[in-house]
Amino acid sequence: EVQLVESGGGLVKPGGSLRLSCAASESTFNDVWMTWVRQAPGKGLEWVGRIKSKTDGGATDYAAPVKDRFIISRDNSKNMLYLQMNSLKAEDTAVYYCVTEYQLLWNNCFDAWGQGTLVTVSS
Amino acid sequence: QSVLTQPPSVSGAPGQRVTISCTGRSSNIGAGYEVHWYQQLPGTAPKLLIYGNSNRPSGVPDRFSGSKSGTSASLAITGLQAEDEADYYCQSYDSSLTGVVFGGGTKLTVL
Repeated sequence: EVQLVESGGGLVKPGGSLRLSCAASESTFNDVWMTWVRQAPGKGLEWVGRIKSKTDGGATDYAAPVKDRFIISRDNSKNMLYLQMNSLKAEDTAVYYCVTEYQLLWNNCFDAWGQGTLVTVSS
Repeated sequence: QSVLTQPPSVSGAPGQRVTISCTGRSSNIGAGYEVHWYQQLPGTAPKLLIYGNSNRPSGVPDRFSGSKSGTSASLAITGLQAEDEADYYCQSYDSSLTGVVFGGGTKLTVL
């Protein structure tokens, strides 16, 4: 199973930017759709967005709360996934998980999760 | 307010059977999108427990089972054990929101 390690979390002021990284252990990363999921302190899981594999076009989708502020990208040559977060708000405070998608007919499931990285947005 | 509705908490004694419901609507579960379940033990990342409504990944005990009917899905746990104490989340896709949706999570307490 692929291992995922997130990094880049920390404290940032409202309106600021932060880039999270996720290192994947396997070369099969190239063929995998990747997702970011976040979890605010003491709250449930929230899907942030996804990026398809290069084979499938590499398109991105985002949840409404982060659309136009967050950008997901990938560097297949380095087995790396990124989440660029701009115009950060207090409500973006959460643990951010990097996740691999297992493709099913209509709705992929999330089969491998990183350990998460904490982002705190506060003045 | 989550798009998929789960009870905030359930409980059961060791050895008992508990079920956790996940109620959606015609744009997600009712539209035929698969339901998946995740287990999150305290202080850890979530883990895939059930995928495609009723399938168990390798290594998940057969005490865990999933089902789906209409606009709802359920997770059943039989032979409850202390180590099952965790938060459980359902997940599907919503065509109106054009995105992945999660339930609010259910905290399972083993008495």
